[in-house]
Amino acid sequence: GQQLNQSPQSMFIQEGEDVSMNCTSSSIFNTWLWYKQDPGEGPVLLIALYKAGELTSNGRLTAQFGITRKDSFLNISASIPSDVGIYFCAGRQDSGGGADGLTFGKGTHLIIQP
Amino acid sequence: GAVVSQHPSRVICKSGTSVKIECRSLDFQATTMFWYRQFPKQSLMLMATSNEGSKATYEQGVEKDKFLINHASLTLSTLTVTSAHPEDSSFYICSATPTTGVGQPQHFGDGTRLSIL
Repeated sequence: GQQLNQSPQSMFIQEGEDVSMNCTSSSIFNTWLWYKQDPGEGPVLLIALYKAGELTSNGRLTAQFGITRKDSFLNISASIPSDVGIYFCAGRQDSGGGADGLTFGKGTHLIIQP
Repeated sequence: GAVVSQHPSRVICKSGTSVKIECRSLDFQATTMFWYRQFPKQSLMLMATSNEGSKATYEQGVEKDKFLINHASLTLSTLTVTSAHPEDSSFYICSATPTTGVGQPQHFGDGTRLSIL
């Protein structure tokens, strides 16, 4: 099946630093989503992107939908301890008019050192 | 808004037992719900798409007779893992998209940790 290449796999940063992660795909996706998952819980939606080139912010988070529709990045500014967790990108094709399931990246594990 | 509830949150049972997991959209209607599986330290993999009033569609490699899906109402989908074995132990997560509005994002339940002894 399709896969999204998400990098980096893990990040060790100091509190207050900015964070950047990205996803690429060999296929076009018409919707890109970024989720955060805490241990033992389901993913929580952070940002949804629907249009190629779109740049969207949610507080300290900023995400962009690549112009080719094959990539997206997520930036977190001024990281804080509660940002710790696993971040997943997800793509959805939105083809054929029906609801499509998501294809997920492998996740970026964010660890913040005090 | 857009809350998805999943029950139970954890199941531990013997090999050969069938286990039913419920997924409910609490404040919206969902014609379509999705079931994912997540093994430890791995990503979420789509198992099947649950369609209200019709048969579920399964991803390649997922046995439909093993993972029975019923979506009898616009707010409830169930996944039954039949005759579960240790290799079925995993984190099962459902998601739902509101019926109204085009291109709505999926909202996830909190998952069910299934452990088969």
